[in-house]
Formats: sequence, C-alpha cells, structure tokens
Amino acid sequence: KAGVTQTPRYLIKTRGQQVTLSCSPISGHRSVSWYQQTPGQGLQFLFEYFSETQRNKGNFPGRFSGRQFSNSRSEMNVSTLELGDSALYLCASSLAGGGMNTEAFFGQGTRLTVV
Amino acid sequence: DQQVKQNSPSLSVQEGRISILNCDYTNSMFDYFLWYKKYPAEGPTFLISISSIKDKNEDGRFTVFLNKSAKHLSLHIVPSQPGDSAVYFCAARSNFGNEKLTFGTGTRLTIIP
Repeated sequence: KAGVTQTPRYLIKTRGQQVTLSCSPISGHRSVSWYQQTPGQGLQFLFEYFSETQRNKGNFPGRFSGRQFSNSRSEMNVSTLELGDSALYLCASSLAGGGMNTEAFFGQGTRLTVV
Repeated sequence: DQQVKQNSPSLSVQEGRISILNCDYTNSMFDYFLWYKKYPAEGPTFLISISSIKDKNEDGRFTVFLNKSAKHLSLHIVPSQPGDSAVYFCAARSNFGNEKLTFGTGTRLTIIP
C-alpha cells in the first residue's frame, strides 16, 4: 500500500512569488491535513480537508490556502512568499470519519526555501 | 500558548536500557494522543497511540502510559536500540471528527552503543 506522497520534495522560490504544493493521501483516506515545521515554531497545523471541504484551520494568514479534490488529493498554495515561509511543509492523511480515532500518516514533506 | 509540552529537549540512553520520554498537556479536551519519530528533513513516522479511555497501550518495544488526572503521558522504549536515535514528538487531538494534531516541541533521543 503506497504511503502519503508529496511533491515536489524541494523547492526554491523568490520573495513575492507564489507556490503550490501537492499531496496524495493513502488510498482510502479521506482526510488530509497540512503542517508547517520550522526550527523556531515546531510543527504547526495549517488546515484540514475532508471530502473536499476545509474542516479546520490553523492560525496562519490568508496567503496560505488549500483545496482537496474528489479523489482526496490535496494542494496547498502560498501567495506573496516571505522569507519566513521557508520551512518543511508536511501533509498527513487519515481514514477519519465513523466516530473512531485513527492515526495520521505523514508524507516526506516539501522543503521550501524562499530567497 | 503551548498546549502540549515536552520539557526535555534531549535525552541520552545506553543501548539495551529503557528510554522514557515524557509529555504534558494542558487542554482537558484532548482525548487521543500519538507519538511520532522523526528524522531530519523527513516526515514524522507514527509509532503508537492511546485513547483517553485507556491508561496503557503496548506495541512491541513501545509502551505509552497515560495519566489523565496529571495530564501526563510517557513513551517507554525497551530495550533501546541505536536505530531509535531520532526526535520524538507527542501529539494530541480533541473530539471525534477533528483531525487537527497539536504537537509538542520534541525530544531528541540519542542511544549510546
């Protein structure tokens, strides 16, 4: 069974540009969450999508957005990039739903560097 | 406001001995807890989880203990192996239907051969 796949693995962008990151969850998983990891702030929740709807959102500016497609694949977009957006962006998928606690499995992440 | 805390940034343990990693939380709405292991520039790897209705969960060398009254959980690794050297994160979640994880700041575990 394939794991969570994130593309690209590495990205270098210039300040002011925008970027789109992609995440393919584990087959059958309906929930996709995004996290940002930085040395200073640790792992911070960005947002969660379930059945194409944003179900939860973290405390990030509106420059950070996302969406989920009918096949559960998800993308996140960051517009008007700032130097502080340099981070490891992680996607997690989980089975979710059904009132049961389920584990979240993470992809390898996308390392974004803003110069 | 750090709702999940791992107060030990680092821990060194002799190979073969027990490693004990600790985690405290403040939000009483958290009802599901997970431990992840992470290498640099990679995604976290799920290790073990525990629901708030239990006080212990075991999986091979890994055991997680939950003390709800103290809002404290711990991960025990026995016996510790060199491959266990990594950063360990505890994470917490509240309510069904909400997949948001709140992470601790991590503990770097080093296993000394």
